[in-house]
Amino acid sequence: GAVVSQHPSRVICKSGTSVKIECRSLDFQATTMFWYRQFPKQSLMLMATSNEGSKATYEQGVEKDKFLINHASLTLSTLTVTSAHPEDSSFYICSARPGLGGTNEKLFFGSGTQLSVL
Amino acid sequence: GQQLNQSPQSMFIQEGEDVSMNCTSSSIFNTWLWYKQDPGEGPVLLIALYKAGELTSNGRLTAQFGITRKDSFLNISASIPSDVGIYFCAGQGGAQKLVFGQGTRLTINP
Repeated sequence: GAVVSQHPSRVICKSGTSVKIECRSLDFQATTMFWYRQFPKQSLMLMATSNEGSKATYEQGVEKDKFLINHASLTLSTLTVTSAHPEDSSFYICSARPGLGGTNEKLFFGSGTQLSVL
Repeated sequence: GQQLNQSPQSMFIQEGEDVSMNCTSSSIFNTWLWYKQDPGEGPVLLIALYKAGELTSNGRLTAQFGITRKDSFLNISASIPSDVGIYFCAGQGGAQKLVFGQGTRLTINP
């Protein structure tokens, strides 16, 4: 099956620093990747849709200058949490859909990144 | 926006019992997906449903896409300890984004 690799799995940083999370599709190409945020015991909340070669589309209430997304190739999207604060501490998960634009493709998830901001 | 209501929120069962959970929506979806998430991990796809009325099995798991396209259920037969986790339904409408249910936390007593 399709494999999505997310790195790092866990990161602890000081308040005010920036953190970059990588999401790679290992055995398929994906023009679209998605970034989710999950708080403890809650569901996944879509933050933004990452489009290869163009600007990301952010969900309402998500600050685009706070959560920078870059989708430079068909297999890599990155999420940078800029000037992180303790309230940014959360579990961040990326996902990717195999194929180049199809709407009935399955969505596969990375293993997530637990961010803790001190 | 679109919302999914997933129930039950939690289940405590004995090993060997069957499990049933479902999701309903006020909106029509074109695709229903069921995922399982273990602590500290990303969701893993269990079953994908693409047509109204479709019934699909994956081992001991069976899921159906409701005729109205507004609901789906997931059944697990003869539960085993490794079935423990959180199960999420997800629906996809006209846009490519997925909408997730609140999750069903399954606990199994040996």
